[in-house]
Amino acid sequence: QVQLQQWGAGLLKPSETLSLNCTVYGGSLIGFYWSWIRQPPGKGLEWIGEISHSGDTNYNPSLQSRVTISLDTSNKQISLHLTSVTAADTALYFCARGKGYSNVIFDTWGEGSLVTVSS
Amino acid sequence: QPVVTQPTSLSASPGASASVTCTLLSGIDVDDYRIYWYQRKPGSPPRFLLRYRSDSDKQQGSGVPSRFSGSKDDSANAGLLLISGLQSEDEADYYCAIWYSNSVIFGGGTKLTVL
Repeated sequence: QVQLQQWGAGLLKPSETLSLNCTVYGGSLIGFYWSWIRQPPGKGLEWIGEISHSGDTNYNPSLQSRVTISLDTSNKQISLHLTSVTAADTALYFCARGKGYSNVIFDTWGEGSLVTVSS
Repeated sequence: QPVVTQPTSLSASPGASASVTCTLLSGIDVDDYRIYWYQRKPGSPPRFLLRYRSDSDKQQGSGVPSRFSGSKDDSANAGLLLISGLQSEDEADYYCAIWYSNSVIFGGGTKLTVL
């Protein structure tokens, strides 16, 4: 059974760079897109972006200027970098495996990483 | 205006049925989009429930009970998540999503209370 394990810094100051990682255990990267999705406290889900096993990416236009999603195929690791964070980036961040038409079926999720931005 | 809109909250009684609405922005035809539904409970990541475009183009999530089904209301330009035989465990936040303009767009979520 595929599992996604997340880790990364949980407390950042404004203007710093958020970095999170997600390792895939028990499954292949091939044939799927790998997304990052976040949920600010008390708010809804927001898709950040995705990367394919071959490195093709799509990003949320509202975050595109600050986001980079990358892939380390040898370690089956997906990384998220979000620059110049503010309090508005405080959220629970999930990595998720996407499949199906346009990869919107997120059938496997990481446990979530709480990131707080505070001075 | 948001591309996808959901009511903030909904309540229904145990054993009854509930319908969660996902309204698409005018000009975005619900017939042209697959609508995906997720359930989110506190302490757990979202769970994929189903996707629906038409009765011939739909997919149930793995292990999702048949009490959960999809439909659409063409007159309202909306996708629907239908839940029959409501149980207390169905109390959760429900999100719809579509693929639009090379992005995944989530609705704001609907909090379903079973009481």
